[in-house]
Amino acid sequence: SQQGEEDPQALSIQEGENATMNCSYKTSINNLQWYRQNSGRGLVHLILIRSNEREKHSGRLRVTLDTSKKSSSLLITASRAADTASYFCATDGDTGGFKTIFGAGTRLFVKA
Amino acid sequence: DTEVTQTPKHLVMGMTNKKSLKCEQHMGHRAMYWYKQKAKKPPELMFVYSYEKLSINESVPSRFSPECPNSSLLNLHLHALQPEDSALYLCASKYRDFTDTQYFGPGTRLTVL
Repeated sequence: SQQGEEDPQALSIQEGENATMNCSYKTSINNLQWYRQNSGRGLVHLILIRSNEREKHSGRLRVTLDTSKKSSSLLITASRAADTASYFCATDGDTGGFKTIFGAGTRLFVKA
Repeated sequence: DTEVTQTPKHLVMGMTNKKSLKCEQHMGHRAMYWYKQKAKKPPELMFVYSYEKLSINESVPSRFSPECPNSSLLNLHLHALQPEDSALYLCASKYRDFTDTQYFGPGTRLTVL
């Protein structure tokens, strides 16, 4: 079963707008990661946030983590058409760190 | 070099064929992964090798047989596959454990006829 669940499943916005995606998970985690996947290609790692961190930034990306609610959000500011992709959260759990479980993903479409 | 390479990029095989997928990384990573991804679905973990030993097998059918010849290479041997096994097969690696980022290869698009 999938650890992370994401919403929305799909999101369509105009270029320049912000995009927010949410992820919830069920068990304790060591870290939570966000990945991007362009159609039919490999996943690109975006950002990793550890369980003792609450917020992290990387360029136009902002990730928050609320371990009390077992949830995380990914904010992409000033979106571009090139941001069109699927975005997945993934957790490693606390069972040794090798098992990564992905959420269902959010498909983001940015219209130029 | 932060690259994970996978060959071939595309593979079409019949149900009676035997084929292999290959994955290679030269980052000194000690954990390597195989995932299966169907269209519009997240990757599903199949196998994890840690220090060249199989550490996780997610109850994958025996028609999929992983092999880790050395710390840089990971193979997935395929035999007697079914059409429902058609998917994108992704390889990934990470340095050691939960503190580290996973790096993914571009995947092999497999079609079983």
